[in-house]
Amino acid sequence: QVQLQESGPGLVKPSGTLSLTCTVSGGSTSPYSWHWMRQPPGKGLESIGYIYYTGTTTYNPSLKSRVTISVDKSKNQLSLKLTSVTAADSAVYYCARVGATGYFFYLDVWGKGTTVTVSS
Amino acid sequence: QSVLTQPPSASGTPGQKVTISCSGSSSNIESNTVSWYQQFPGTAPKLLIYNIDKRPSGVPDRFSGSKSATSASLGISGLQSEDEADYYCATWDDTLNGPVFGGGTKLTVL
Repeated sequence: QVQLQESGPGLVKPSGTLSLTCTVSGGSTSPYSWHWMRQPPGKGLESIGYIYYTGTTTYNPSLKSRVTISVDKSKNQLSLKLTSVTAADSAVYYCARVGATGYFFYLDVWGKGTTVTVSS
Repeated sequence: QSVLTQPPSASGTPGQKVTISCSGSSSNIESNTVSWYQQFPGTAPKLLIYNIDKRPSGVPDRFSGSKSATSASLGISGLQSEDEADYYCATWDDTLNGPVFGGGTKLTVL
């Protein structure tokens, strides 16, 4: 059974870079597509972006200039980098497997999430 | 502001059936399938419904999904106290060329 585990610093300074890793166990990153989501405290889910099995990435337009998502197949890991962070980027960050994209879009496996706080 | 619109709250008594709505547009719900997610406080979302009305293995058949034009609905019959959670809808948006989500509905079992 595939499991996802996010990891990374829980505290990031304003204007710094948020870097998270999602380790895939019990399965492979290929041939799947992967998604990063976040959820600010007390708020709903927000899509950050996703990476197709081909390596193509698509980002939320509101975050596009600051986000990079990549996959390291050799380590069975995904990564998320978000630059120039502010307090508004404080949230629980989730990685998720894309069960299907486009017309049939859904996320079928989710990590437990990791809390990131942006503060000096 | 979420692209898909859900009521912020819903409630029902044990045994009742409740329905949670998800409203979108011609570029998202009307043109694509819908998925639903259940989230308990402090935990990650879990896939509840996909392809409008399909349930992953392990999801009780008390949960059902439907779609009509630009709206979708999640139905929960035989409501139980353990169903108290937040529920989110999601679909693809052809104009944005990406997934969109609802703002979530907090279900309270009275």
